[in-house]
Amino acid sequence: AQSVSQHNHHVILSEAASLELGCNYSYGGTVNLFWYVQYPGQHLQLLLKYFSGDPLVKGIKGFEAEFIKSKFSFNLRKPSVQWSDTAEYFCAVITNAGKSTFGDGTTLTVKP
Amino acid sequence: DAGVIQSPRHEVTEMGQEVTLRCKPISGHDYLFWYRQTMMRGLELLIYFNNNVPIDDSGMPEDRFSAKMPNASFSTLKIQPSEPRDSAVYFCASRRGQSSYNEQFFGPGTRLTVL
Repeated sequence: AQSVSQHNHHVILSEAASLELGCNYSYGGTVNLFWYVQYPGQHLQLLLKYFSGDPLVKGIKGFEAEFIKSKFSFNLRKPSVQWSDTAEYFCAVITNAGKSTFGDGTTLTVKP
Repeated sequence: DAGVIQSPRHEVTEMGQEVTLRCKPISGHDYLFWYRQTMMRGLELLIYFNNNVPIDDSGMPEDRFSAKMPNASFSTLKIQPSEPRDSAVYFCASRRGQSSYNEQFFGPGTRLTVL
């Protein structure tokens, strides 16, 4: 069975600070990796995804993530956060069989 | 397209009552997923369907939960009888195609409170 671990439950940053949210997964087969964001009061939206190819993936709103196969990691990064990035971020693993597993989420609070 | 539609948006019920949550996937999407989100357990996959057929229901917590998809444009998640620990936000999501790389589109969720 696959699992996803997000190391940080709550991160508080000031505007313009750099962000890195950790995500590690465990699964023996091929996986597709996703980061979703949930803004306050809204539903989940896709930030970025990785399937194959370049392990550095760029998503919307200046976010990027790097897949490091040897570490089973898919960390999310942004060089300079904004107040509007305040949200909950979910890392997800979806197997080729279609089964999805989400991490517990990381709540990001950006102070203006 | 209106996106994934869920109803009701909010539901408050008393313990022991039957609760039915509804979902309309995006037209043309052949995969449908039901998730539950709580503070304690995060986002959990309950069950998913492909072409109206349940593929994996291992995430369904217990026999009180059941899900159906009578046609390509409608699915229900039923809890009978409901309990206070079922209080959560229930999300429905849909996806087009077999590739797991394809994005899942989430609905707005149903916030269920069981008193």
